[in-house]
Amino acid sequence: EIVMTQSPATLSVSPGERATLSCRASQSVSSNLAWYQQKPGQAPRLLIYGASTRATGIPARFSGSGSGTEFTLTISSLQSEDFAVYYCQQYNNWATFGPGTKVDIK
Amino acid sequence: QVQLVQSGAEVKKPGASVKVSCKASGYTFTSYGISWVRQAPGQGLEWMGWISAYNGNTNYAQKLQGRVTMTTDTSTSTAYMELRSLRSDDTAVYYCARDLWGGYTSSPFDPWGQGTLVTVSS
Repeated sequence: EIVMTQSPATLSVSPGERATLSCRASQSVSSNLAWYQQKPGQAPRLLIYGASTRATGIPARFSGSGSGTEFTLTISSLQSEDFAVYYCQQYNNWATFGPGTKVDIK
Repeated sequence: QVQLVQSGAEVKKPGASVKVSCKASGYTFTSYGISWVRQAPGQGLEWMGWISAYNGNTNYAQKLQGRVTMTTDTSTSTAYMELRSLRSDDTAVYYCARDLWGGYTSSPFDPWGQGTLVTVSS
């Protein structure tokens, strides 16, 4: 099983600032990496797939990069609606999720 | 629009079984696989398994092998997840999620159902 790790566990950011979230895979997943956003009481929402392709309707302030085992999600200028938990997921070999990064208000 | 609507909350006793449904609309049901993902209270996301709505092929997470069964009913465009021998640590919100791409076994998930809370308590 491919193990996904994320850092940091919690990221405190002020509105308008940049947020950088990291995700690491225990073995190469090529570019088969997705990012999801989850708000309290809601289902996860797909943000990024293929490591760097934004899903339909996702604002351009969200960007993804990386390949192999190291990946990054960047939110260029945090809006109030972006405070949430973010999960990475590999889908190179079925699916596993990282433990999540909570982005909260500084 | 593409939508997955799940059945309502369940309360079960330890040792019982639960069957959660996920009704799809807005697309050709048999063209996409569906995964089930669960989330214990305050915890992260755990992939449980996948079913092809085309031919019923399944792949289950190893830790759930023998306790979980995923099925589909193509006549009603509905997917089902049954979990048996329930334990207290099976208490979670259970989500169904459609593959973003049809015809692949490896795909991100979009969209997701709204979730079904299953509580296991004596």
